[in-house]
Amino acid sequence: EAGVTQFPSHSVIEKGQTVTLRCDPISGHDNLYWYRRVMGKEIKFLLHFVKESKQDESGMPNNRFLAERTGGTYSTLKVQPAELEDSGVYFCASSRPAGTSNEQFFGPGTRLTVL
Amino acid sequence: KNQVEQSPQSLIILEGKNCTLQCNYTVSPFSNLRWYKQDTGRGPVSLTIMTFSENTKSNGRYTATLDADTKQSSLHITASQLSDSASYICVVSAGQAGTALIFGKGTTLSVSS
Repeated sequence: EAGVTQFPSHSVIEKGQTVTLRCDPISGHDNLYWYRRVMGKEIKFLLHFVKESKQDESGMPNNRFLAERTGGTYSTLKVQPAELEDSGVYFCASSRPAGTSNEQFFGPGTRLTVL
Repeated sequence: KNQVEQSPQSLIILEGKNCTLQCNYTVSPFSNLRWYKQDTGRGPVSLTIMTFSENTKSNGRYTATLDADTKQSSLHITASQLSDSASYICVVSAGQAGTALIFGKGTTLSVSS
């Protein structure tokens, strides 16, 4: 079973630019999550999709962040325009449908650096 | 405020030795507690998941304990190996669905030969 994949692994952009991160969950996993780890801090929840619907987006920092999951497969997280404080590692995780194990499987993360 | 605190922040031990990592939490409503291992440059990988009624759970050389009354957990690593060098993160899930994860900052373990 292929794991959660994320692209790119690293991204370096200038303040004000736009970046789009992609996450491909494990096949058959309805639940998809985005998390972020800012340097020196703990990993924090951003949002949760169930299939193509946003179940919980209470962790999204502000309206510069836009997450989509069209068709309920892969997801993208766009930051526009990027600010210095957006630098960090963005993790994606997926889990099986409700009623089964809710163990979350994490991708390797995308390291975003905003200069 | 939901919080997960871990100690120590970092730890260095010799190969073959045992160690215990600590986790205290204030999360409500509690659903379950997980320990993850995160290697450098990789995503977290689940080691154990414990619900409210479970006191201990093992996964090979890893044994996690949970005291739901005192809201404390520990992760004990037996006969450490060089490959155990990683960050160990305590994560508490909140809510009925258990999907809202609250992460600790992690303990960085270095195992040397």
